[in-house]
Amino acid sequence: GENVEQHPSTLSVQEGDSAVIKCTYSDSASNYFPWYKQELGKRPQLIIDIRSNVGEKKDQRIAVTLNKTAKHFSLHITETQPEDSAVYFCAASRRGGSYIPTFGRGTSLIVHP
Amino acid sequence: DTAVSQTPKYLVTQMGNDKSIKCEQNLGHDTMYWYKQDSKKFLKIMFSYNNKELIINETVPNRFSPKSPDKAHLNLHINSLELGDSAVYFCASSLDVSSGNTIYFGEGSWLTVV
Repeated sequence: GENVEQHPSTLSVQEGDSAVIKCTYSDSASNYFPWYKQELGKRPQLIIDIRSNVGEKKDQRIAVTLNKTAKHFSLHITETQPEDSAVYFCAASRRGGSYIPTFGRGTSLIVHP
Repeated sequence: DTAVSQTPKYLVTQMGNDKSIKCEQNLGHDTMYWYKQDSKKFLKIMFSYNNKELIINETVPNRFSPKSPDKAHLNLHINSLELGDSAVYFCASSLDVSSGNTIYFGEGSWLTVV
């Protein structure tokens, strides 16, 4: 089955800095890579996703890149703000059949004012 | 107009008791899930149902029994609760089991076993 590794487990940055979270996956058939944000005491919610037919996707201050050859994808947050502080989860799922997304173990992002 | 709702939100109970968590989604989705999130924040899939049929049953003790009376509901019953069952349990749903569908999570049920 799929295995998703996520690094770092904790990331501490100053407000205004950039933050990068990296994930690798093992199943070359995976074709969909969502990122979820979970604020303290809240539910995980989708913030951005990317499919295997594109290499990069942006939405305001967040962007995701995908390298299919190396089987890794990354979340980039620019101009971080204190409200970006949360746990971020990457996930991977594959085309065809009944395949549940596999989540990474999460990255706790702390943005210091 | 909550999309995925689960009750109760907080549950404190003694070891050995039996408890249930209810979940309902009003999104018209075919697929529902139960996830367990431990103190280290890891989101672990427990069960998945598609149109009331069990499709995923991860290595979960058989003290945990899901029930889906219809595709909008997926309840979780836990027998003989143990200290290690303390966690946040998230119900979730997605359109179907195809790749590329967003998973919508409920607000979570905080279970504490004492």
